[in-house]
Amino acid sequence: GAVVSQHPSRVICKSGTSVKIECRSLDFQATTMFWYRQFPKQSLMLMATSNEGSKATYEQGVEKDKFLINHASLTLSTLTVTSAHPEDSSFYICSARGEDLRLDTQYFGPGTRLTVL
Amino acid sequence: GENVEQHPSTLSVQEGDSAVIKCTYSDSASNYFPWYKQELGKRPQLIIDIRSNVGEKKDQRIAVTLNKTAKHFSLHITETQPEDSAVYFCAASKGGSYIPTFGRGTSLIVHP
Repeated sequence: GAVVSQHPSRVICKSGTSVKIECRSLDFQATTMFWYRQFPKQSLMLMATSNEGSKATYEQGVEKDKFLINHASLTLSTLTVTSAHPEDSSFYICSARGEDLRLDTQYFGPGTRLTVL
Repeated sequence: GENVEQHPSTLSVQEGDSAVIKCTYSDSASNYFPWYKQELGKRPQLIIDIRSNVGEKKDQRIAVTLNKTAKHFSLHITETQPEDSAVYFCAASKGGSYIPTFGRGTSLIVHP
């Protein structure tokens, strides 16, 4: 149980285009979802926290107009990287937790490798 | 906010040896400390966790210890195997939000 999927697993796009990444909880209702960014050989950096039906809370230094997060349902959150640039190339990982599960535990998705040319 | 320091950044051991990874945290209110294992290009997987009301927890070859007074916690892996090779992250969080702050990670290499 507590499976989180992400789509796509890998995406390559041209500079200036927008990319949408989906995060889904497959067997539980995710009241809270998190979006992380991870550079090679570095730690997970929290970008934002989203609760179903409300606006995301962004961490300091993360541009909310560039990284649009939507958590429209209890099983789906999306991250849209707008006007992507090469410096946005990274590994993006979502995680989720649900009220029916341990509140202190996050379940991670498999990640999305974004490459901006 | 919380600050989590993790050492070493790289750890190389021979198969069968023990490995120890140490973390310190700054916020005395933190009360939940998970450890994640991440293989290259894959998702972090929770391998063990400990809460502040416990000093030690063990699960087969993996154990975690917590010293609340000193604000540090450690991961111990005994009888290491090549498949233990991965990056290990410690984290600290507290009740309410339970949003973890991660350490920088330790790359564990187990040589056969």
